[in-house]
Amino acid sequence: NAGVTQTPKFQVLKTGQSMTLQCAQDMNHNSMYWYRQDPGMGLRLIYYSASEGTTDKGEVPNGYNVSRLNKREFSLRLESAAPSQTSVYFCASSEPGVGNSPLHFGNGTRLTVT
Amino acid sequence: EDQVTQSPEALRLQEGESSSLNCSYTVSGLRGLFWYRQDPGKGPEFLFTLYSAGEEKEKERLKATLTKKESFLHITAPKPEDSATYLCAVQAVEAGGSYIPTFGRGTSLIVHP
Repeated sequence: NAGVTQTPKFQVLKTGQSMTLQCAQDMNHNSMYWYRQDPGMGLRLIYYSASEGTTDKGEVPNGYNVSRLNKREFSLRLESAAPSQTSVYFCASSEPGVGNSPLHFGNGTRLTVT
Repeated sequence: EDQVTQSPEALRLQEGESSSLNCSYTVSGLRGLFWYRQDPGKGPEFLFTLYSAGEEKEKERLKATLTKKESFLHITAPKPEDSATYLCAVQAVEAGGSYIPTFGRGTSLIVHP
């Protein structure tokens, strides 16, 4: 049972380059999330998708775009990477329609922007 | 605005030395409080959900409790393998009915043998 799979695990970009972080879940969850985790800042929500076909901004959406490709996949795109986007990015999913269900996380993508 | 504050930021214990981690929150319409464990280089892993004041949950050496303003994660006779960062998160009703979890910054626990 894979759960939530994120690719790539590591990435180094130069300022201005673009890339897409991929996330897929096999638990039939409707809701999916993208967080970034920085030292001393905790997990901050970038974007979320409550269900297939919908996406909404979280706390720190600037510089990012998302696509909910289908029920399984939720991608995060950096159009023009900046050093401030150096971080660890986590994708998560949760059970549909249940407000008090836990999140299931992938193991993250470690991104460095030089 | 909803807030989740965890303390202490870091905690060092000797093996067998029991202690507690705190998570205080200010939300309206709490739907659940969650504890996660995060190992270095990994994503957070779910431990417990607490729904209402007075509720307790246990798993091995961990026990989570909840009041109307805070939650405690009690660690009894910890072992080195309990070393990790422990995250607290709360879910409350948001506009439009979406339940968006808010995370605290975590407590980094190190247990020395």
